[in-house]
Amino acid sequence: QLQLQESGPGLVKPSETLSLTCTVSGASIRSNDYYWAWIRQPPGQGLEWIGNIYFSGTTYYNPSLKSRVTISVDTSNNQFSLKLTSVTAADTAVYYCARVAAAGDVVVPVVFDFWGQGSLVTVSS
Amino acid sequence: EIVMTQSPATLSVSPGERATLFCRASQGVGSNLAWYQHKPGQAPRLLIYGASTRATGIPARFSGSGSGTEFTLTISSLQSEDFAVYCCQQYNNWVYSFGQGTKLEIK
Repeated sequence: QLQLQESGPGLVKPSETLSLTCTVSGASIRSNDYYWAWIRQPPGQGLEWIGNIYFSGTTYYNPSLKSRVTISVDTSNNQFSLKLTSVTAADTAVYYCARVAAAGDVVVPVVFDFWGQGSLVTVSS
Repeated sequence: EIVMTQSPATLSVSPGERATLFCRASQGVGSNLAWYQHKPGQAPRLLIYGASTRATGIPARFSGSGSGTEFTLTISSLQSEDFAVYCCQQYNNWVYSFGQGTKLEIK
């Protein structure tokens, strides 16, 4: 059974860097068929896609966050990670990692078929 | 960016009844739309993709329809486990975007 688990600090100071890791179990992250993603949900707001990574290291970022985001992959440990720099209170959110799969006629991965339970990160001094 | 708008924000329905949820895209997305169910403290679950195709293991009481800018998720004969937040996601544009969600609560 595929499982994804987010880990990292729950509190980050303003202007510092938020770092989270997603550990994938039950499947290899080295799959040709899937991307791996980070998504967040600020309190009282909808979900926001942050970015995707392929096991080769190819990344796709939301333009609204691209200047501050780095997603990386560690295939030896079956993990991928998120770094978000220069955080502010607006970055307070539940951060989810997810697997991205193809959907019907769309052969590239585009829908999030497995998710972690989420990790609340609060930005505060 | 494609903006996804869901309505209503909250829907109160009795168990056993039908629930109809709506999702509108700010521009056409074809059939490139997915629906997710999200319960507090749990991982979101993919319900529908391609606007109308149920994901693996999703019961037949969940159905999706629509194309272009107007989409509907229908849950026939609501079960107790169906009360949750539902959100839509477009993937027509590579910058994926989600709706704000509809909270389905017990009437």
